[in-house]
Amino acid sequence: EVQLLESGGGLVQPGGSLRLSCAASGFTFSSYAMSWVRQAPGKGLEWVSSISGISGGRIHYADSVKGRFTISRDNSKNTLYLQMNSLRAEDTAIYYCAKDGIYDSSNFYHFDYWGQGTLVTVSS
Amino acid sequence: DIQMTQSPSTLSASVGDRVTITCRASQSISSWLAWYQQKPGKAPKLLIYKASSLESGVPSRFSGSGSGTEFTLTISSLQPDDFATYYCQQYDSFSITFGQGTRLEIK
Repeated sequence: EVQLLESGGGLVQPGGSLRLSCAASGFTFSSYAMSWVRQAPGKGLEWVSSISGISGGRIHYADSVKGRFTISRDNSKNTLYLQMNSLRAEDTAIYYCAKDGIYDSSNFYHFDYWGQGTLVTVSS
Repeated sequence: DIQMTQSPSTLSASVGDRVTITCRASQSISSWLAWYQQKPGKAPKLLIYKASSLESGVPSRFSGSGSGTEFTLTISSLQPDDFATYYCQQYDSFSITFGQGTRLEIK
């Protein structure tokens, strides 16, 4: 059974940093691209970042987080990360990690599994 | 970035109704479109991918169609469990985008 478990969310002041983790199990983690998607309170879904499988050599970011957030993965630990720096109030959201639906692709597709999300609140 | 526009934003319907939600892309995305269902307090659930492929385990009353810039999600006979918010997502470009969502509520 595929499981994605996010952690690391919490309350942080504007300008602060936070690192989210997503522990994956139930599938060959290294063979799938992974992504972060966020949802501000009462709002819709917003894609944040994606990283390809295997080498993780292909990475993309939404313009809203480019230069502030860094996605990475440790295939030996089956874990996806999101380092978030220079946080702003508008980054307040539930952050979901999501598994790509296509095996062993260096491109990015639909998301067939999602974690339960971790809440990040940016406030003074 | 490719903009995705869903209509309507809110849809009121009754159990047993046939409903259709539309998603329009600001440029052609071929068939690189997915549909998700989200219930309050829960993560989104994949329903349809590549515009018309039904995800395993999803009831056959859900169907998707379209290509290029116009897509539809159809629920053939609404069930009580279907009242939720639905999102489309394009993955034609490396900058993935979602529609703003369609809230399906009980009439």
